[in-house]
Amino acid sequence: EIVLTQSPATLSLSPGERATLSCRASQSVSSYLAWYQQKPGQAPRLLIYDASNRATGIPARFSGGGSGTDFTLTISSLEPEDFAVYYCQQRSNWPPLFTFGPGTKVDIK
Amino acid sequence: EVQLVESGGGLVQPGGSLRLSCAASGFTFSSYWMSWVRQAPGKGLEWVANINQDGSEKYYVDSVKGRFTISRDNAKNSLYLQMNSLRAEDTAVYYCARHNPQLAYFDYWGQGTLVTVSS
Repeated sequence: EIVLTQSPATLSLSPGERATLSCRASQSVSSYLAWYQQKPGQAPRLLIYDASNRATGIPARFSGGGSGTDFTLTISSLEPEDFAVYYCQQRSNWPPLFTFGPGTKVDIK
Repeated sequence: EVQLVESGGGLVQPGGSLRLSCAASGFTFSSYWMSWVRQAPGKGLEWVANINQDGSEKYYVDSVKGRFTISRDNAKNSLYLQMNSLRAEDTAVYYCARHNPQLAYFDYWGQGTLVTVSS
């Protein structure tokens, strides 16, 4: 079973600052890595898929990178609406079982 | 517009049963794998189960195997989760989610339905 670890658990930043979130897998997940944003009381929203592709409608300030076991989500300049919890997610080869990381909360400093 | 609307949540006693439904619209439901994902209060996301397009393949997280059953009715554009032998640790918001065609991630989510297991 592949385990995802996210760091830091909480990131306290100010609007306009750059946020860098990390997701590490216990073994290689190739490029089957996605990132989601979740705000309180809302469903998760897909941000990044296949490690580095932005989903439809996602602003360019969000970018993803990495491969193998180490991945990053970068928000180049935080907007007020970006303060939320971010989860990474991977899929095993077969059967298609899915796991999420524990999440990183980005809050206002 | 893709829409997923869950229903069927509520309060149930430990050991009880509940059936969740998810009504899909805005896309060809029968062409997509679908999943249930849950989130316990104040906790992270946990994938629960998924099902292929015609219902012939189903997979579950270990903690619900033998207790939960995922199913679908393509004629009704609906996804279901039958939950039996419920435990306190099953308390969560349950989301219905659509898989992308490559079955690598979840591209659309419903708003969720809350299941509370308590005496």
